[in-house]
Amino acid sequence: NAGVMQNPRHLVRRRGQEARLRCSPMKGHSHVYWYRQLPEEGLKFMVYLQKENIIDESGMPKERFSAEFPKEGPSILRIQQVVRGDSAAYFCASSSGLAGSTDTQYFGPGTRLTVL
Amino acid sequence: AQSVTQLDSQVPVFEEAPVELRCNYSSSVSVYLFWYVQYPNQGLQLLLKYLSGSTLVESINGFEAEFNKSQTSFHLRKPSVHISDTAEYFCAVSVGYGGSQGNLIFGKGTKLSVKP
Repeated sequence: NAGVMQNPRHLVRRRGQEARLRCSPMKGHSHVYWYRQLPEEGLKFMVYLQKENIIDESGMPKERFSAEFPKEGPSILRIQQVVRGDSAAYFCASSSGLAGSTDTQYFGPGTRLTVL
Repeated sequence: AQSVTQLDSQVPVFEEAPVELRCNYSSSVSVYLFWYVQYPNQGLQLLLKYLSGSTLVESINGFEAEFNKSQTSFHLRKPSVHISDTAEYFCAVSVGYGGSQGNLIFGKGTKLSVKP
């Protein structure tokens, strides 16, 4: 049973370009979370999605960032017009939603974004 | 609001020595507590978790953590470490979210370095 998949693992963009990060949850999981890890920092929550719904986006920057989790296909975190401060590791986690508030989140290997 | 404090950013120890990684949290409501481990250039792996019941929880590789409500702590311990335990360890809390887990709030991490 494959774990959480993220691609690409490494992404290099120039300032002003767009970055698209993909996350395929574990089989059977319908809940997806995105976190950002800045250098020397812990992970910071960005957004929580279920299929076709954004449940909590309280950690998302107000501009340039968006996320979706369509009925079919992976979850996408999109960053428009990237700036150097967006350079970070972006982690996706998924859970089944079956255990309610005691669900365990399983993390992917992350996408390391470098903005030149 | 909830927060997590990991007091030690780096902990160097010799192989076979005991280790304790400290974690304190603040919350006005009941929380679920987690320890994750991150090996270099990898995603986070769940090490152990406290949801309810016995305040002492154990992992399969010899780590244990004890939930202390009065001290709002969830320190991670291992009586004898191995070189392979070298990694970064993150403490996290969750308060649940309308029936699902909701986002995790992470500490800044503790880098454990085990020397021969």
